[in-house]
Amino acid sequence: EVQLVESGGGLVQPGGSLRLSCAASGFTFNTYAMSWVRQAPGKGLEWVSDISGSGHTTYYADSVKGRFTVSRDNSKNTLYVQMNSLRAEDTAVYYCAKCPNFDSSDNWFDPWGQGTLVTVSS
Amino acid sequence: QSVLTQPPSVSGAPGQRVTISCTGSSSNIGSGYNVHWYQQLPGTAPKLLIYDHNNRPSGVPDRFSGSKSGTSASLAITGLQAEDEADYYCQSYDSRLSGSVFGGGTKLTVL
Repeated sequence: EVQLVESGGGLVQPGGSLRLSCAASGFTFNTYAMSWVRQAPGKGLEWVSDISGSGHTTYYADSVKGRFTVSRDNSKNTLYVQMNSLRAEDTAVYYCAKCPNFDSSDNWFDPWGQGTLVTVSS
Repeated sequence: QSVLTQPPSVSGAPGQRVTISCTGSSSNIGSGYNVHWYQQLPGTAPKLLIYDHNNRPSGVPDRFSGSKSGTSASLAITGLQAEDEADYYCQSYDSRLSGSVFGGGTKLTVL
């Protein structure tokens, strides 16, 4: 069974940094692209970032470009996102999700992790 | 403002059929990119419902179906059940933004 478990969320001050992790199991991790999607409280879904199976190709939403960095450690079956210069509008539940292919374009997301809450506030 | 436009809410009585629309543009659905649908029950993570316009993952009832025409797509739910009450999101790829885009979500209420 495919499982994705996020961790690393919490309360951080504006301008601060946080690194989220997503531990994957139940599939051959390095053969699938992975994604981060977030959901602000009471709001809809927003795609954040994709990374290819090798980790060599990454994509970002304009709202996080230059501040967030997605990476993966295929030896540990773990996906990461380093979030810097955090703003109040980054407050959200962050989900990791598996893509159906090695590369990340034009993909769907299945399954999703349970999410981890990031709160940016002073 | 979401790139893909969905109605904020729809409703229907048990047993009825409802549809949820998803309107895009020439840089996403209109360019031939696939449309996918997700169901999010209260307090839970989204779950894939339909992929590539009209394909259902294993375990999703055939009461759920998808279609696409031009720059729009639709999700149809027949034989509405109380357990279908949830938020529904469409998703596609946008070539101008070089990334995935979601609709704003539609809250389905079963009367």
